[in-house]
Amino acid sequence: QSALTQPPSASGSPGQSVTISCTGTSSDVGGYNLVSWYQQHPGKAPKLMIYEVTQRPSGVPDRFSGSKSGNTASLTVSGLQAEDEADYYCSSYDGSNNFVFGSGTKVTVL
Amino acid sequence: QVQLQESGPGLVKPSQTLSLTCTVSGDSISSGSYYWSWIRQPAGKGLEWIGRIYTSGSTDYTPSLKSRVTISIDTSKNQFSLKLSSVTAADTAVYYCASGYSGYAKYWGQGTLVTVSS
Repeated sequence: QSALTQPPSASGSPGQSVTISCTGTSSDVGGYNLVSWYQQHPGKAPKLMIYEVTQRPSGVPDRFSGSKSGNTASLTVSGLQAEDEADYYCSSYDGSNNFVFGSGTKVTVL
Repeated sequence: QVQLQESGPGLVKPSQTLSLTCTVSGDSISSGSYYWSWIRQPAGKGLEWIGRIYTSGSTDYTPSLKSRVTISIDTSKNQFSLKLSSVTAADTAVYYCASGYSGYAKYWGQGTLVTVSS
């Protein structure tokens, strides 16, 4: 059970878009529509931003969107704002009643 | 809105058992279709899913910890608990309790730091 692969960092200027990838295998990301994304600010608990690949919980801005192609899921943040600077983690069901997280991506707003 | 609060010792000796409790408020732990989960995060590192329990009492554990983990539920106290046996320094982390439906954790506790040290 290996962690899903995310780029260590991503960045963009205010107003721009940034996309974070989350690569797994056909046994996890590619096999199920159970990918979720979490935002974590320093010293805080993670916050659910996207669930079931594309669904956004109430209260999450529509600037956040999710997608999936094959074994790779993606989170796109459009119209970057200063408060979007945080760590982002993906997670996927792995088909064995277990869940695996991604390695995390630090998003910097330039 | 479901609220979660972790509690338990912040310091555990090596080889002993780590025990944490998550108190649920805002909803009954036995109502609905929520899974109740534990997730941990070593300092400066990523998240690791430990396991979960359903309201029926059925459990799932991550394979790497399965032999040492027990998650239980106490509906009378609206709490669920984590026990991790034979701890080492590698188990030092912030431990979060969380809840949600099958594929995700919608509600999270604030987290509690557990240090394994003699």
